Amino acid sequence: DIQMTQSPLSLSASVGDRVTITCRASQNIRNYLNWYQHKAGKAPELLIYAASSLQSGVPSRFSGSGSGTDFTLTVSSLQPEDFATYYCQQSDSPPYTFGQGTKLEIK
Amino acid sequence: QVQLQQSGPGLLKPSQTLSLTCAVYGDSVSSNSAAWNWIRQSPSRGFEWLGRTNYRSKWKSDYAVSVKSRINIKPDTSKNHFSLQLDSVTPEDTAVYYCAREVGYCSGDNCYFPYGLNVWGQGTTVTVSS
Repeated sequence: DIQMTQSPLSLSASVGDRVTITCRASQNIRNYLNWYQHKAGKAPELLIYAASSLQSGVPSRFSGSGSGTDFTLTVSSLQPEDFATYYCQQSDSPPYTFGQGTKLEIK
Repeated sequence: QVQLQQSGPGLLKPSQTLSLTCAVYGDSVSSNSAAWNWIRQSPSRGFEWLGRTNYRSKWKSDYAVSVKSRINIKPDTSKNHFSLQLDSVTPEDTAVYYCAREVGYCSGDNCYFPYGLNVWGQGTTVTVSS
């Protein structure tokens, strides 16, 4: 299985900050990389697909980049509703795998 | 707007069979461009993809190795839903279970799903305990 490694696993930031989360795949996954936001008690929400495409309805302060094995998710200016846990997921080939998650907390 | 609605029991005893259903609204489970997935989340294992099925593959399913010997994902086209069956559960199967749709395209016999899991069910908390 393809291993997905996120860093950092936790992050403290303030409203208005710019934050970046990284995700590394154990092998080349081309651009088959997706990012999700997850809040407790709710279903995950797709933010970015195909490494850099913004899902419809997602605010433009979210952006993604990368290809091959190294990817990043950036939030340009944190809003109060952005404090959540973020996961990367590879969809290059089954079995799909997820990163461990990055918990974004208010400083 | 596509919605997925999950149903099924939340409490099981060890060795029983877990059965969950995901009803599809606003799309067809027989769509040429969708695949239907089950995922679970637990504190010990994080998010774990369990498997998927899709019409274009003639309902041939892909499964995670960890559950391959005891899982079945199948559609019910008459009810426009798909289901998860997991046999011989243990406390290790305690988790929140989600169904999810992914969309893509097919070229000949090959299908590609680059657009992520874009619709999720509400989640079902399943506890396995004697």
